Amino acid sequence: KQEVTQIPAALSVPEGENLVLNCSFTDSAIYNLQWFRQDPGKGLTSLLLIQSSQREQTSGRLNASLDKSSGRSTLYIAASQPGDSATYLCAVRDSGYALNFGKGTSLLVTP
Amino acid sequence: NAGVMQNPRHLVRRRGQEARLRCSPVKGHSHVYWYRQLPEEGLKFMVYLQKENIIDESGMPKERFSAEFPKEGPSILRIQQVVRGDSAAYFCASSATGGLDTQYFGPGTRLTVL
Repeated sequence: KQEVTQIPAALSVPEGENLVLNCSFTDSAIYNLQWFRQDPGKGLTSLLLIQSSQREQTSGRLNASLDKSSGRSTLYIAASQPGDSATYLCAVRDSGYALNFGKGTSLLVTP
Repeated sequence: NAGVMQNPRHLVRRRGQEARLRCSPVKGHSHVYWYRQLPEEGLKFMVYLQKENIIDESGMPKERFSAEFPKEGPSILRIQQVVRGDSAAYFCASSATGGLDTQYFGPGTRLTVL
């Protein structure tokens, strides 16, 4: 059974800092890994999707990497802004259609 | 180009009542997935439906929970005789095809059981 863990659970940084969010998974036989953003009371916004054959994906100030063999992914956010404050979720797709989610990292970027 | 729509956004029920949550997928999508997010927990898969068929309900609690996706109209997640432990955010996602197709998520329904 796939287990997805995200650390840290919460993070507070001053505006402008670069930061890294971590995601680990127990079964390396995955099809893809996806990072989402969840704002309070809102749905999930897909940020980046990395296929199992890829090592990283980039979108603007976001960069996600995938090391399938070690069961790890990182989400790098450059030059953080207060608008980046949200919960970031990592989800792994393995043998089926169900996404396996971590509990998320709650990020607060202070002005 | 509407995305996934869920209603109501917030639902309050007393113990023992029924809760009906609705999900309208992205136009043209015929695959729907329901996930539940308990407080302080990650989203957990509940059920996967295609039009008029339940494909996988392995994540559904054995009792009181049911789901349908009729030929016409939205998908419905029904919870009978709600208990306080059912309080959670329920998210619906849809995809154009099944398998590894990208799932698009709705805003969720937040159920509170008093």
